[in-house]
Formats: sequence, structure tokens, C-alpha cells
Amino acid sequence: QKEVEQNSGPLSVPEGAIASLNCTYSDRGSQSFFWYRQYSGKSPELIMFIYSNGDKEDGRFTAQLNKASQYVSLLIRDSQPSDSATYLCAVNPSNTGKLIFGQGTTLQVKP
Amino acid sequence: DGGITQSPKYLFRKEGQNVTLSCEQNLNHDAMYWYRQDPGQGLRLIYYSQIVNDFQKGDIAEGYSVSREKKESFPLTVTSAQKNPTAFYLCASRREDQPQHFGDGTRLSIL
Repeated sequence: QKEVEQNSGPLSVPEGAIASLNCTYSDRGSQSFFWYRQYSGKSPELIMFIYSNGDKEDGRFTAQLNKASQYVSLLIRDSQPSDSATYLCAVNPSNTGKLIFGQGTTLQVKP
Repeated sequence: DGGITQSPKYLFRKEGQNVTLSCEQNLNHDAMYWYRQDPGQGLRLIYYSQIVNDFQKGDIAEGYSVSREKKESFPLTVTSAQKNPTAFYLCASRREDQPQHFGDGTRLSIL
């Protein structure tokens, strides 16, 4: 079992729709969770992080964490073609700041 | 401007050659990280350092070496022992209890 799992996609949504990206993790002791966006050929860019159960909203983005189910998700409201990218879920299972990454989900937003 | 600078952007290695990738940051971050990304994959941790003159192996350290003689610098050497070095190499850094941020990356290819 992979430590951090994501559906590789592609996930295709129409412009203006809500995109829902999901991630599960295996280490129940994980403390912090991150979503990075990576455009083709570029480096990852941090878009959201969450430490506590529940929802965290920032603009069009909402991160959701359920530690009991070992599940973290990212919702993108009013999706735009510029949101088309690969979204990487990362988990910090310890206090070293080391991150375990999923393989990423490719999102395509169609005009 | 503050940030994480990786150089060169593109690098080519001949058989049997060691090459060194540069990573410099002027953010006064204590911790620095090196990741490798293969096409269609997430990031895998090579080495990390939480403090000057100290570093630890990540998940795929074989064939790589690092040093941390200055807080600002964390160079990565890809040795001839690394038989499959072609990848996108990413350096990251962070302040304590803050998320990691990435440099622009170095693409390494075999001649």
C-alpha cells in the first residue's frame, strides 16, 4: 500500500464547476497536510495546508481533513482553465518536516 | 528578491561523471530538502538537512551526496553510482513549523 494515494486522473470538469480532488494516507499519526499545484514543466507551488480536522477555506480553494478516515481533499470552486494542472497531495508523518507525496491528480478544466 | 535559487536549469551528464546541482536560499530557512521527480510521478525525498553541518538520508539517497556547510546553501552531487539520474530535481526549504517552498528545479539528462 502506498503511503499517500491519489487518483492520477485526468479529472475533467467544465469551466465554472467544482473540482474535487481526493487523497488518502496510511500513517495515522500524520500531523500536517499540504496541497501543491504543479503546472507542466514547472516546480510545485503551495496552495493550501491544513492541520486540524474540518474545512479550511482560502478564496476558491477549500481543504478538508478527516483524520479518522485518513482522508484529505481539495475543492476548487468556479474552476477556471488556468486551474488546469497536476495537484500533489503531501503529508508530513513526523516532526522533521519531511513530506511524503502522492503521485498527483491531473485536472483539466474545459472552457 | 527573497527566494530559492536552483542552478543550472538544465544539466547534462556523461557516463561516469559526477555532477553538482546548486541550491541557494536567502530566506533564512533552517531546513532544506532535495527531491527527485520522474515523469508522471510524485516527488521522492533524496536528502534533507535541518541545521548547518547536519543532514539525513531520505528514501532514495543511494548514488547521491550532499553537504550543508552554510545555512544558505545545500548542493546535491549526483555521482556515477546513480545509474538512472535522468529526472527533475527540486530543492525546497522551510522555516520551522511552516510549509516547504520549492525552487524552480533542475532538469538532468544523460548524454
